[in-house]
Amino acid sequence: DSGVTQTPKHLITATGQRVTLRCSPRSGDLSVYWYQQSLDQGLQFLIQYYNGEERAKGNILERFSAQQFPDLHSELNLSSLELGDSALYFCASSVGPPATDTQYFGPGTRLTVL
Amino acid sequence: QKEVEQDPGPLSVPEGAIVSLNCTYSNSAFQYFMWYRQYSRKGPELLMYTYSSGNKEDGRFTAQVDKSSKYISLFIRDSQPSDSATYLCAMNNAGNMLTFGGGTRLMVKP
Repeated sequence: DSGVTQTPKHLITATGQRVTLRCSPRSGDLSVYWYQQSLDQGLQFLIQYYNGEERAKGNILERFSAQQFPDLHSELNLSSLELGDSALYFCASSVGPPATDTQYFGPGTRLTVL
Repeated sequence: QKEVEQDPGPLSVPEGAIVSLNCTYSNSAFQYFMWYRQYSRKGPELLMYTYSSGNKEDGRFTAQVDKSSKYISLFIRDSQPSDSATYLCAMNNAGNMLTFGGGTRLMVKP
């Protein structure tokens, strides 16, 4: 158990809908990262927050947004969902801001868009 | 072409075999290299972390980095059925995001 928690474990929704994925980092970690894992694209970095501020952005679609709250938990919002958004979404956390800090991954949220 | 290439496998070996997993990359700025293990329906977990070129050993696992060839390897000695998983290489340079390989699925048969 990495200490990173993610809810929900599974999410099934329809195209055009909006969902929110939640992540709680390990105790003491200030950075949160979001990743998308699909069969064709592999594990891809979406966005990083450090202590409430956006730190780095990767291949995140404009339909997706994230935020980190004062208690350091983070939410990833996915809107206008398409079939291709079906994937595993992982949250990871680390102590500091550099991406070279060890990242600990949560168990993921499996999103299915029908 | 992807920045980090990894043979997807599956790689099937008998228990006790030495396993060699590899990644090649194109970005010469990468300095930090990691190997993650991912069991089915679980999140990736960090196995090995190396900086720049050279070898690093941890128990049955050895990580090698050859920056001149842009090639990294993970060796698993005395492989066990519990090593059956997908192995992901990852790399970055200071301050930048991690770039992952596509993963190699390993099956160790008893």
